[in-house]
Amino acid sequence: DTAVSQTPKYLVTQMGNDKSIKCEQNLGHDTMYWYKQDSKKFLKIMFSYNNKELIINETVPNRFSPKSPDKAHLNLHINSLELGDSAVYFCASSQAGDLAGEQFFGPGTRLTVL
Amino acid sequence: GNSVTQMEGPVTLSEEAFLTINCTYTATGYPSLFWYVQYPGEGLQLLLKATKADDKGSNKGFEATYRKETTSFHLEKGSVQVSDSAVYFCALSDQGGSEKLVFGKGTKLTVNP
Repeated sequence: DTAVSQTPKYLVTQMGNDKSIKCEQNLGHDTMYWYKQDSKKFLKIMFSYNNKELIINETVPNRFSPKSPDKAHLNLHINSLELGDSAVYFCASSQAGDLAGEQFFGPGTRLTVL
Repeated sequence: GNSVTQMEGPVTLSEEAFLTINCTYTATGYPSLFWYVQYPGEGLQLLLKATKADDKGSNKGFEATYRKETTSFHLEKGSVQVSDSAVYFCALSDQGGSEKLVFGKGTKLTVNP
């Protein structure tokens, strides 16, 4: 069973479109994250949710809106896509309250904006 | 704010060579420190971690020791294999209560047979 899964794996779209990426974890974790990895492999957190509540928003443009329908899911919706949004987006989860705990990452979604 | 600096890559080694990837950090308090590995086309996986000063994390032949006096967490392996080719990320936990990981920029390792 896949611990953290993301769909789609690849997403190619035109500038100005709206798209969503879905993430699900079956680990029973309370906390989920979205990270963005740029072309130079630099990884930066975007959002974190704890039990459906937003706890981290790292000055991401308003065009990005995370939604957590339940604690096992954290989706990322992106409006009016721009060229600079092209990146690999990773979802992750961890056990809430465990600052030394492992974060489990999904396989990533490679977004290409043309 | 908290930050992680790791050596620039890429690093290319021959099989059975010794590996060191340097990592230093800046943080308030006492963060936990991690090394994550990203194999081609995959997400990140935890390789090892240390939660307090002088702790040594180890896994799959890799080791790193939490050095508070030098604020470092260098990754080492005595004899690398082709299968170790990947991107390695040093990270620390932000202990501001947010459970956020702060990552270094990653070091790409290629091991040739």
